Amino acid sequence: DGGITQSPKYLFRKEGQNVTLSCEQNLNHDAMYWYRQDPGQGLRLIYYSQIVNDFQKGDIAEGYSVSREKKESFPLTVTSAQKNPTAFYLCASTLGGAGELFFGEGSRLTVL
Amino acid sequence: GQQVMQIPQYQHVQEGEDFTTYCNSSTTLSNIQWYKQRPGGHPVFLIQLVKSGEVKKQKRLTFQFGEAKKNSSLHITATQTTDVGTYFCAVDRGSTLGRLYFGRGTQLTVWP
Repeated sequence: DGGITQSPKYLFRKEGQNVTLSCEQNLNHDAMYWYRQDPGQGLRLIYYSQIVNDFQKGDIAEGYSVSREKKESFPLTVTSAQKNPTAFYLCASTLGGAGELFFGEGSRLTVL
Repeated sequence: GQQVMQIPQYQHVQEGEDFTTYCNSSTTLSNIQWYKQRPGGHPVFLIQLVKSGEVKKQKRLTFQFGEAKKNSSLHITATQTTDVGTYFCAVDRGSTLGRLYFGRGTQLTVWP
């Protein structure tokens, strides 16, 4: 079945540590996105990529980094520079244009 | 940038009652999408509206796009416990294809 796989589902880290969240899709979608969700808030765009080897900052990119070396993969690194990293992180993809977003199941990061 | 205000933030209804959530923009929208997120889950695409005055139905759900394309609503008739979740509207920012701006969502609770 085609879809988006995020891992890990739950992650705990200590302050000062970097952590990488995985996002893999087999939908053959060109564009991929990372969103952050906090309680009571909508989804906020962190980074997005429309083609391989290219990506753009979203609204809240500070403290995060991404790479897009392969079409199907778009990992997100939460660095120690991110002041408040505890959140639910959602990866999404779309075939192109303004089409519907397909979301992964999310990764819940807790900083201890 | 393109933003939308979504109201109400919370809605508690008795099973069988109707429910409506609204999204409002100060600028004309090219299109609007609606998503549903079940508790603990990820957003799932419901529908996209493109035309002025458009009305679409999905069983008990009715989606409307305003004549001026500045507002939209989602109405659920005779709510059921399966309708529980958060409903988000999302609009295309227009500056880059596929970059959606999400409203804060309306969290619906249905009492049996």
